[in-house]
Parts: sequence; structure tokens; C-alpha cells
Amino acid sequence: GENVEQHPSTLSVQEGDSAVIKCTYSDSASNYFPWYKQELGKGPQLIIDIRSNVGEKKDQRIAVTLNKTAKHFSLHITETQPEDSAVYFCAARTGDTDKLIFGTGTRLQVFP
Amino acid sequence: EAGVVQSPRYKIIEKKQPVAFWCNPISGHNTLYWYLQNLGQGPELLIRYENEEAVDDSQLPKDRFSAERLKGVDSTLKIQPAELGDSAVYLCASSPQGDTGELFFGEGSRLTVL
Repeated sequence: GENVEQHPSTLSVQEGDSAVIKCTYSDSASNYFPWYKQELGKGPQLIIDIRSNVGEKKDQRIAVTLNKTAKHFSLHITETQPEDSAVYFCAARTGDTDKLIFGTGTRLQVFP
Repeated sequence: EAGVVQSPRYKIIEKKQPVAFWCNPISGHNTLYWYLQNLGQGPELLIRYENEEAVDDSQLPKDRFSAERLKGVDSTLKIQPAELGDSAVYLCASSPQGDTGELFFGEGSRLTVL
């Protein structure tokens, strides 16, 4: 079945710097790749997603890139702010079962 | 618009006791999910409903876990008997009909088994 690996597990940046989180997946038939942000005591919330027919997508300070050949996708956050501090999860939807498989998460800390 | 509502938010029980979690999805959302989130891990799917039908329960430990969504709206997840390893956050999510992709999560029910 699908396996999603996420790196790094923790990431500390200075306010204003960029942050990059990377994920790899195993199922070449996976077709949908969302990123979720989870704040302490809350449920995950979708921040951006990308489908397999697109290589890059941007929404203000957040962008996601997808390399289908290498089976990896990345989240880029520019001009980080303290409120970006949270745990970020990547996920991949399997091609056969439509199941969403999550990575293990990255704890991002943005220091003022 | 109200989000996904879960209760209780926190539950502490002794092992071998039963526990139940309730979820009310966003109005009009046909698909409902129960996820398990262990500390420091990503959510893992337990069961997915399309209306009243459980379409994927392959990861649900059926010896002690059960779930129902009788009228295709709210849902209950039950554990009986609970074990120490069941301590985790149980997340409910819903999504509308069609391939929008986005899941809307509730705040979760944190279970501690002593």
C-alpha cells in the first residue's frame, strides 16, 4: 500500500525566513496531495493541495511543488510569521482505494 | 456555518471500560471519517462512511471497535473494552459529495486509558 515519508520532523526558522517541508510517496498511482496544518488542540486544517496533473500551485505565501517522476512533493512557506508555528502534515491519496495516507508531521517553530 | 462537532473533548477511563465518541459532521456532507491520531503521528483512517454505508473499515480493529452512522448524519465510535494502547486522539472528519478532496476535521476527542 501507499507509504508517505515526511522530513524534517522539526524545523525552526526566524521570522521572515522561508521554510520547506518535503514528502515522498510510494504509490505512483496517487493523484491528490494535500497539506494540512494542525495547531495545538485543534484538528488538521487544509492549507493547500495539488493534483497529479499540476506541477506547482501557489496561494499567497504558500506554495506546493510536485515531481511525479521522483514521487515527491514539497511545501514552501515564504516570509514566515509566528502564527505559522504549528504541525504540518502532507498526505497522498492512493490511486486504487481513494484513501488518504498522512505523513508523520513536521513541527514548525517560527521565532520572532 | 458550523464545523464538525465532536464530543467529549477529553475522556479518561480505566482499562477494560467502554467508551464512546460522537461526531456531527458539517450539514450536507455525505462522507464521514473516523481517524486515529497517536502522539507525534499523522492521522490514520479507521472507517469511512458514504451516507449510512461503511465503505472502508479495513483498519478498524473489529474485535473491540465498532462504529455506526444510522441515519447518515451523526456517527458514534465505540471501544469496548478499552486497552492502554488505545490512548490517542480520535478525529472525525467530513467531506461533501464529489471529488473536492478537502476533509474538514473536528477538534478531536482525546482518550486516556489508565
